[in-house]
Amino acid sequence: AQSVSQHNHHVILSEAASLELGCNYSYGGTVNLFWYVQYPGQHLQLLLKYFSGDPLVKGIKGFEAEFIKSKFSFNLRKPSVQWSDTAEYFCAVNARSGANAGKSTFGDGTTLTVKP
Amino acid sequence: NAGVTQTPKFQVLKTGQSMTLQCAQDMNHEYMSWYRQDPGMGLRLIHYSVGAGITDQGEVPNGYNVSRSTTEDFPLRLLSAAPSQTSVYFCASSPRWEGVANYGYTFGSGTRLTVV
Repeated sequence: AQSVSQHNHHVILSEAASLELGCNYSYGGTVNLFWYVQYPGQHLQLLLKYFSGDPLVKGIKGFEAEFIKSKFSFNLRKPSVQWSDTAEYFCAVNARSGANAGKSTFGDGTTLTVKP
Repeated sequence: NAGVTQTPKFQVLKTGQSMTLQCAQDMNHEYMSWYRQDPGMGLRLIHYSVGAGITDQGEVPNGYNVSRSTTEDFPLRLLSAAPSQTSVYFCASSPRWEGVANYGYTFGSGTRLTVV
């Protein structure tokens, strides 16, 4: 079975600080990786995804993530955060094939608070 | 607007009552799923469907039933509500189960359920 671990439960930053949220997964096969964002009171929205090609993927609102296969990691980064980035961030993984294909497993989430 | 529509947005139930959470999508997505979101536990898959007439269990199916008689609708039924089912419920869809790789999920706005 696949699993996802997000190491930081709550991150507090000041505006303009750099952000890196950790995500590690465990699964023996090939996976697709996602980051979702949930703004306060809203539903989850896809921030970015990786399934093949360049391991550095760029998403909306200046976010990017790097897939490091050898470390089973897919960390989310942003060079300079804004107050509007305050939200909860979820890393997710799903297997490319097999019984778990298409069923995304989510991490516990990281709450980001950006102070103005 | 195209997307995933969930109703109701809020619901309070008494222990032992039954109810149905509605989910409808107008994007002709084959794959639909139900997740529950609990603090510190991320999102956990309850049931999913890869097409009309096909459903399967996820990680936490006990106490819930689903059916998929049409492509558009995927209702979640609570048979006999328990306080442990107090949660926020999200419906999510994707073009196909293998399409999750390319598109990720589209989420509904959620149903906040309280069982007293």
